[in-house]
Amino acid sequence: ETGVTQTPRHLVMGMTNKKSLKCEQHLGHNAMYWYKQSAKKPLELMFVYNFKEQTENNSVPSRFSPECPNSSHLFLHLHTLQPEDSALYLCASSQQSRTDTQYFGPGTRLTVL
Amino acid sequence: GENVEQHPSTLSVQEGDSAVIKCTYSDSASNYFPWYKQELGKRPQLIIDIRSNVGEKKDQRIAVTLNKTAKHFSLHITETQPEDSAVYFCAASASGSARQLTFGSGTQLTVLP
Repeated sequence: ETGVTQTPRHLVMGMTNKKSLKCEQHLGHNAMYWYKQSAKKPLELMFVYNFKEQTENNSVPSRFSPECPNSSHLFLHLHTLQPEDSALYLCASSQQSRTDTQYFGPGTRLTVL
Repeated sequence: GENVEQHPSTLSVQEGDSAVIKCTYSDSASNYFPWYKQELGKRPQLIIDIRSNVGEKKDQRIAVTLNKTAKHFSLHITETQPEDSAVYFCAASASGSARQLTFGSGTQLTVLP
C-alpha cells in the first residue's frame, strides 16, 4: 500500500488497558507527526519526529507515549487513558521541513470507555 | 505562538455558486499556508497551498489569496459541485521556526444540489 497507513482503524479500550497505534509511511519522508482530532476542534499537534528524533511534544500527557524506531514507522503507546481521550488520531508525514506538505493517514478512531 | 482563526464554521451554497472561506493568523513570520479538505470519514488531503512570496494561486476551480499586511488568506471555490462538500482546514507555519503547522478550526461546506 502506498502513502501513509494506520492500524488499527478503530479501537475501543477500557481506562486500564494498554494499546498501541501504528503508523507507516511509504513516501520516503523524514518527518512524522501525531495529531488528535476531536469533534468541532482544530487539529491538535501532539508529537513531531525528524529523522527518528522527537523534536516537539506539545504538552501531551504522559499516558501517551510515542516511539519512532525508524523514519518509516511511528507508534503511539496508550495506557490509563481517560474518556476525554476519545478522538480520531491521525498520523502524517512530510519530507522534512515545517513548510513541506504533510500527508495524512486515514486515522484511528479511538473510543475510551 | 501562532493562532489561526477560520470563518465561517459552516457554509451552505447552491450548486454552481462560489464559496469563500477566510483565515487570519497572528505570527507575521508565517510564510506557508496550506488548505486541506477532509471528506466525511476520510483523511485530510492537501488541495492547494501558497507561500508568502506570491499573493494568489489558482488551480482550476480553486484559488487562494494571501494578504501578508493584513495577515489573512482565503480559499475561493468557484462553480461548486456536490462533491466539494467537506470540511476545509486552513493552516499556517513559518520555516526556521520551532513551531509546526497550526490549523484553523475548520469549515463545514455543504453544496446543495
